[in-house]
Amino acid sequence: DGGITQSPKYLFRKEGQNVTLSCEQNLNHDAMYWYRQDPGQGLRLIYYSQIVNDFQKGDIAEGYSVSREKKESFPLTVTSAQKNPTAFYLCASSMSPGGAKNIQYFGAGTRLSVL
Amino acid sequence: QQQVKQSPQSLIVQKGGISIINCAYENTAFDYFPWYQQFPGKGPALLIAIRPDVSEKKEGRFTISFNKSAKQFSLHIMDSQPGDSATYFCAASIGPTGGGNKLTFGTGTQLKVEL
Repeated sequence: DGGITQSPKYLFRKEGQNVTLSCEQNLNHDAMYWYRQDPGQGLRLIYYSQIVNDFQKGDIAEGYSVSREKKESFPLTVTSAQKNPTAFYLCASSMSPGGAKNIQYFGAGTRLSVL
Repeated sequence: QQQVKQSPQSLIVQKGGISIINCAYENTAFDYFPWYQQFPGKGPALLIAIRPDVSEKKEGRFTISFNKSAKQFSLHIMDSQPGDSATYFCAASIGPTGGGNKLTFGTGTQLKVEL
């Protein structure tokens, strides 16, 4: 069953703690993305990666870090420097950016809350 | 700086009616305009998309109208059904020669279709 798997579904962070959100895809897509969704603000891009071992900052990268060691995996770490981490986090993937279409497929999301 | 403005924020339509959601963009380099549908607790899913070389695209009950000179595009849902109740996002991106296929999203419209 092809798709994007995000885990965990719910996550709680304590003050000063780093937490890591998992994103795995078996669609053989080259590009992967992380978005943050807040009520009334739509989806905002945190980081994206077009190939393994390479990634770029999006519009709101401060307080976050990523890695792309494998094609199918793109974990997101929410660091203690992110002062307002409570949000719904969405991972997406798409075929190589050189394609004619940019259909991004999304996972089911991780809801992060601060304790 | 919000590059894609979406309205209305929320919309209530009677069953069988027409739902209309509007978006306006600023960056004339955008050349791909998808609409995503999101149900509560789920990730967004591509609904329909258009490129600026056509003024209209129809898929079933869903139609995108595109006005390049006005830099506006809209989603029309004909014969709206309660199952269409969801949040709808417009988006825009620059083609593969620039922008890395990053999507810029509108702020979303929460649609409720009443019986």
